[in-house]
Amino acid sequence: RKEVEQDPGPFNVPEGATVAFNCTYSNSASQSFFWYRQDCRKEPKLLMSVYSSGNEDGRFTAQLNRASQYISLLIRDSKLSDSATYLCVVNANTGFQKLVFGTGTRLLVSP
Amino acid sequence: DAGVIQSPRHEVTEMGQEVTLRCKPISGHDYLFWYRQTMMRGLELLIYFNNNVPIDDSGMPEDRFSAKMPNASFSTLKIQPSEPRDSAVYFCASRGLAGVKDTQYFGPGTRLTVL
Repeated sequence: RKEVEQDPGPFNVPEGATVAFNCTYSNSASQSFFWYRQDCRKEPKLLMSVYSSGNEDGRFTAQLNRASQYISLLIRDSKLSDSATYLCVVNANTGFQKLVFGTGTRLLVSP
Repeated sequence: DAGVIQSPRHEVTEMGQEVTLRCKPISGHDYLFWYRQTMMRGLELLIYFNNNVPIDDSGMPEDRFSAKMPNASFSTLKIQPSEPRDSAVYFCASRGLAGVKDTQYFGPGTRLTVL
């Protein structure tokens, strides 16, 4: 089983739609969780951290369910510029500073 | 502020040749990471350094790969000899104590093609 699993998509949605991605992780000792965004042929960039209580940043909402070991990302009012690959990222609390990246979920927002 | 700098941005070489990728982390960051990204395997951690010391190289695929960090502002990833299956995008990332905890900042990557 992969440490971090995501549906690769693509998710095709019209502008203005709400879309949600889920991600599951296997290491119950994981302590830090993130969503990174990667545009085509570019480097990954931090979108937002995911906190236990859930957190929101504008149109983006991230939630963590430790019991079920999954993380979600909700995007409201999708924009064309949201088209990208969204990477679910988990830091394993093993004393190392490793980030484990999912293979990403591709989002395509169309006019 | 300058981000993570990588060079070259693109490299095309022939099988058997030596390839050296370079990285300059963000000034003041004490962690440096080398990743490889392919369509099949996604983003994989190869090795990381803390204060210029290699901490975990368990992701280095084989002895053909080596990495060094002679000082806080420079690191290299070397492949010798290169093989076609090494074709990938290689990212360098750095992390410091300031900002969002555990956040890694990525360079633009080196796109390597081995013919």
